[in-house]
Amino acid sequence: NAGVTQTPKFQVLKTGQSMTLQCAQDMNHEYMSWYRQDPGMGLRLIHYSVGAGITDQGEVPNGYNVSRSTTEDFPLRLLSAAPSQTSVYFCASSYSWVAGINTGELFFGEGSRLTVL
Amino acid sequence: DAKTTQPPSMDCAEGRAANLPCNHSTISGNEYVYWYRQIHSQGPQYIIHGLKNNETNEMASLIITEDRKSSTLILPHATLRDTAVYYCIVRVAHSGAGSYQLTFGKGTKLSVIP
Repeated sequence: NAGVTQTPKFQVLKTGQSMTLQCAQDMNHEYMSWYRQDPGMGLRLIHYSVGAGITDQGEVPNGYNVSRSTTEDFPLRLLSAAPSQTSVYFCASSYSWVAGINTGELFFGEGSRLTVL
Repeated sequence: DAKTTQPPSMDCAEGRAANLPCNHSTISGNEYVYWYRQIHSQGPQYIIHGLKNNETNEMASLIITEDRKSSTLILPHATLRDTAVYYCIVRVAHSGAGSYQLTFGKGTKLSVIP
């Protein structure tokens, strides 16, 4: 059971380039999300999805795009990379947001470290 | 989601209990208390959660005050591998919540000392 898999683990981009961070989970989770973490700060939500075909914005969505065509995959697209997007990105998934049915815990990937020059 | 307040850092001797406090004085009746930890630069890891009763699992215990305005995470016998940043989060945990966001603060950096 692989859990939440993020690729790539490391990436260096030049300003203006575009790229996609991949996230896949094999746990049949409804809920998936992307967070970014900057030095000395907590995690901030970028986008999330409560099921295939459904996405919504989080706290810091500008400059990012997402789609959810399958239950398993939730890619994050950087449209035109900027130095301010240098960060560590975490993908997380949960079976359900409802704590009464299960723990409602989020499972996190290992992170993708992005540097924009 | 309610805001939480945690001390920025704490030390604990190896083998002793680590007691990590969290204040959430504005918590509402349908909000759960969740604890996660982040070891070095890895992805956060779920520890435990609760609504109003004390909870225990293989990792930790969660003590929630009767008025639910604060809670304490207890690691009964801290080891060096428990050195991490611990996040206390409160959130609604029912369907149709309207908000599916976990709000991470800066957490408490726990250092377990040999």
